[in-house]
Amino acid sequence: ETALTQSPATLSLSPGERATLSCRASQSVDIYLAWYQQKPGQAPRLLIYDASNRATGIPARFSGSGSGTDFTLTISSLEPEDFAVYYCQQRKNWPPLTFGGGTKVEIK
Amino acid sequence: EVQLVESGGALIQPGGSLRLSCAASGFTFPNYGMSWLRQPPGKGPEWVSTIKDGGDTTYYTDSVKGRFTVSRDNSKSTLYLQMSSLRAEDTAIYYCAKDLSVHSNDRIFDFWGQGTLVTVSS
Repeated sequence: ETALTQSPATLSLSPGERATLSCRASQSVDIYLAWYQQKPGQAPRLLIYDASNRATGIPARFSGSGSGTDFTLTISSLEPEDFAVYYCQQRKNWPPLTFGGGTKVEIK
Repeated sequence: EVQLVESGGALIQPGGSLRLSCAASGFTFPNYGMSWLRQPPGKGPEWVSTIKDGGDTTYYTDSVKGRFTVSRDNSKSTLYLQMSSLRAEDTAIYYCAKDLSVHSNDRIFDFWGQGTLVTVSS
């Protein structure tokens, strides 16, 4: 099973600041990594797939990079609606599909 | 507009059975792989099961193999999860989700339902 480790667990930032979230895989997942955003009481929402492709309707301030075992989600300038929990998910080595433990982006 | 609406969640005793349904609309259901995921209270999402677009191939996480069965009725645009021998650790919100691309079985979840709560407790 491919474990995904996200860091940091919590990121405290102010609106307008840049957020950098990390996801590290226990073995290579090539580029087959996705990022989701989840707000309280809502289902996860797809942001990025295959490491760097923005999903439909996702603002350009969200970008993804990486390959192999190290991946980054960057939010270039935080908007108030971006404060949420972010999860990474790999689809390369399956079953099982696996998710990271999440990074909470909170208002400083 | 894509819609996925889960139903069937309930409070159930350990060892019991339950069937979840996911009614799909707004897209050509037979053309997409579908999955069930769950999220225990306060934790991250966990993949449970996937069924290919044709319904002929299914996959399960180890902890539910032999207890859960995924199926689909393409004529009714509905996905199912039959759960039996339920355990306390199965307690979670259960989501259905569709694949991003047609006929790809890509396991990129671009739409999720709102979820249905399954609580296993005596």
